[in-house]
Amino acid sequence: SQQGEEDPQALSIQEGENATMNCSYKTSINNLQWYRQNSGRGLVHLILIRSNEREKHSGRLRVTLDTSKKSSSLLITASRAADTASYFCATTGNTPLVFGKGTRLSVIA
Amino acid sequence: DARVTQTPRHKVTEMGQEVTMRCQPILGHNTVFWYRQTMMQGLELLAYFRNRAPLDDSGMPKDRFSAEMPDATLATLKIQPSEPRDSAVYFCASDTGKSNEKLFFGSGTQLSVL
Repeated sequence: SQQGEEDPQALSIQEGENATMNCSYKTSINNLQWYRQNSGRGLVHLILIRSNEREKHSGRLRVTLDTSKKSSSLLITASRAADTASYFCATTGNTPLVFGKGTRLSVIA
Repeated sequence: DARVTQTPRHKVTEMGQEVTMRCQPILGHNTVFWYRQTMMQGLELLAYFRNRAPLDDSGMPKDRFSAEMPDATLATLKIQPSEPRDSAVYFCASDTGKSNEKLFFGSGTQLSVL
C-alpha cells in the first residue's frame, strides 16, 4: 500500500511556534501532497512536491521529501490559531491519492 | 469560485433504508473520486471514475454500495440497504485527470445510520 502515515497523531503548540509533521510511505511515488482539513469541512490542497524535488516552500509552509527514506515533513512556521486543523499527506504512484490518518494540530492562542 | 458540491450535507436514516448521496464535480474536471472518512479507518478510497467510466471500485462493498455517473455533472453513491457501520462522512473529490494534479474536495455528506 502507498498509504502515507503521519506522525505525530496529535500536536499542540503555542501561537508563534513552529509545527512539524512527518509522513512516511511504503512504495515508490510520483508525487506527495499535503492537505488540510478544518473541522466539518472537506480537505483543501496545500502543497505538492514531486518525487525529483527535495524541498518546496509556499508562504509559511515548507515541505521536504526524502525518497531514500520514503518520508516527508511539513513545517508550518510562526503558527496561528487559524492553523488549527488536521493535516494529511497523500501519495500518488500507480493509483489515485491514498491518504494517511492525519495529524491533528492545535494552536493555542 | 469553482467548487465541488455535495448533497445532502447531513443524512440521518434508519438501518435498512436506501441512501443516495450526490456530487457535482467542478466543471471541466473529468475524474471523480468517492472517499469515506471515519475515525478508525481515516480516509478510504471507495471508487473513482474518469470520463464517467468506473476505473476502480475495489474499495467499495459491492453487495450494498453502488456508484454511478449519469452524466458529466453528476456522480451518485448509493447504499442499499444501509447499516449502522456505514455511518461516516462521505467525500466526493474531482480533478482534471492530468498527472500530478491536486484534488478538489466537496464538504462531505455526514451519514448517520441508526
